[in-house]
Amino acid sequence: EAQVTQNPRYLITVTGKKLTVTCSQNMNHEYMSWYRQDPGLGLRQIYYSMNVEVTDKGDVPEGYKVSRKEKRNFPLILESPSPNQTSLYFCASLGRGRGEKLFFGSGTQLSVL
Amino acid sequence: RKEVEQDPGPFNVPEGATVAFNCTYSNSASQSFFWYRQDCRKEPKLLMSVYSSGNEDGRFTAQLNRASQYISLLIRDSKLSDSATYLCVVSLDNYGQNFVFGPGTRLSVLP
Repeated sequence: EAQVTQNPRYLITVTGKKLTVTCSQNMNHEYMSWYRQDPGLGLRQIYYSMNVEVTDKGDVPEGYKVSRKEKRNFPLILESPSPNQTSLYFCASLGRGRGEKLFFGSGTQLSVL
Repeated sequence: RKEVEQDPGPFNVPEGATVAFNCTYSNSASQSFFWYRQDCRKEPKLLMSVYSSGNEDGRFTAQLNRASQYISLLIRDSKLSDSATYLCVVSLDNYGQNFVFGPGTRLSVLP
């Protein structure tokens, strides 16, 4: 089954404690992306990757890091989380063909205390 | 001004009603248009792409007006299971880095 697997589903942490949210896709997609979703603001792109070892900033990259060492994985790293990073996070991947749709992971609800 | 704007909602409608959602976008170079559905706190899922000639999928009809930079979604004979948030998504091309999401319009279909 084609899917994007994102873990964990829920995460509660404290300010300054490094964390990683994992994302993996089994569709051999080149493109992967991270979004955060906040009430009234819609999904905003954090970082994206066009291929292995190629990453770029989205609209709200401050406070986040990513890596793309292999095609299937695209982890999101918060080196020193702060309360304003409390949000619902989604990973997504996209194929290259015309009309391809974004496949989303099931989301990670992060709370930074 | 936000790049993609939607009706603020929420929309509360009885079963069987027809409901229409509106979306406007600011970038006239936008090429691809979509409606996604999102259930509470779950991942968005593609409902339908929107084509210039308009398109229909069962009870759902999407329209695009490029001149007015306006997209619509019409749901006929609404079901309880249609209750969700509907996201308007616009892209400059088929590449994901240019996908811009609207804030969404929440629909509650009431028995």
